[in-house]
Amino acid sequence: DTEVTQTPKHLVMGMTNKKSLKCEQHMGHRAMYWYKQKAKKPPELMFVYSYEKLSINESVPSRFSPECPNSSLLNLHLHALQPEDSALYLCASSQGSTAPQYFGPGTRLTVL
Amino acid sequence: AQSVAQPEDQVNVAEGNPLTVKCTYSVSGNPYLFWYVQYPNRGLQFLLKYITGDNLVKGSYGFEAEFNKSQTSFHLKKPSALVSDSALYFCAVRDPDSGGYQKVTFGIGTKLQVIP
Repeated sequence: DTEVTQTPKHLVMGMTNKKSLKCEQHMGHRAMYWYKQKAKKPPELMFVYSYEKLSINESVPSRFSPECPNSSLLNLHLHALQPEDSALYLCASSQGSTAPQYFGPGTRLTVL
Repeated sequence: AQSVAQPEDQVNVAEGNPLTVKCTYSVSGNPYLFWYVQYPNRGLQFLLKYITGDNLVKGSYGFEAEFNKSQTSFHLKKPSALVSDSALYFCAVRDPDSGGYQKVTFGIGTKLQVIP
């Protein structure tokens, strides 16, 4: 199984809502990532979890809160977002320092 | 600091012709280099990587890339383009000496358009 799954595929939320994005992989990968991607731009790294511990936070605003409940799951909790946070949110996983990252299909988030 | 440049926003090629998508990089040590492809409204798919060894690496869907240390380049190539190759291509680099678990830097992307 070389698949990273993400739910939901699409999400529309108001600025006062609280929602969560979910990501799952069953490849035994020990690193998991959240990226934000705007249209026609490269992915921007937000967070990296290594062995279920947060190892990188790229100065992401606190309205984004990551969580790694176990080695297969990664969540991104959203609260009080701004319209400029609308983007494609990608989850990825990898194993080892020379390994590629495997990406999920993404969640298309729209903040009204 | 690590960086990667993709000098072309878009590359147009006729179906059946060879294609090249350019990438140059900058790292302090020996780089780990990757190519990914992204179709509309999808995540990125890994195509190929260079870590060490043979400078010519082969990947998925008939793609290959040549690592050139003196020119700090890692251009993506395919001998015969297909219309289905039309997508957004990202080059990525990781400096193993940079610290941080697997933090890679992506180029801005090159849109490949294969014309029937």
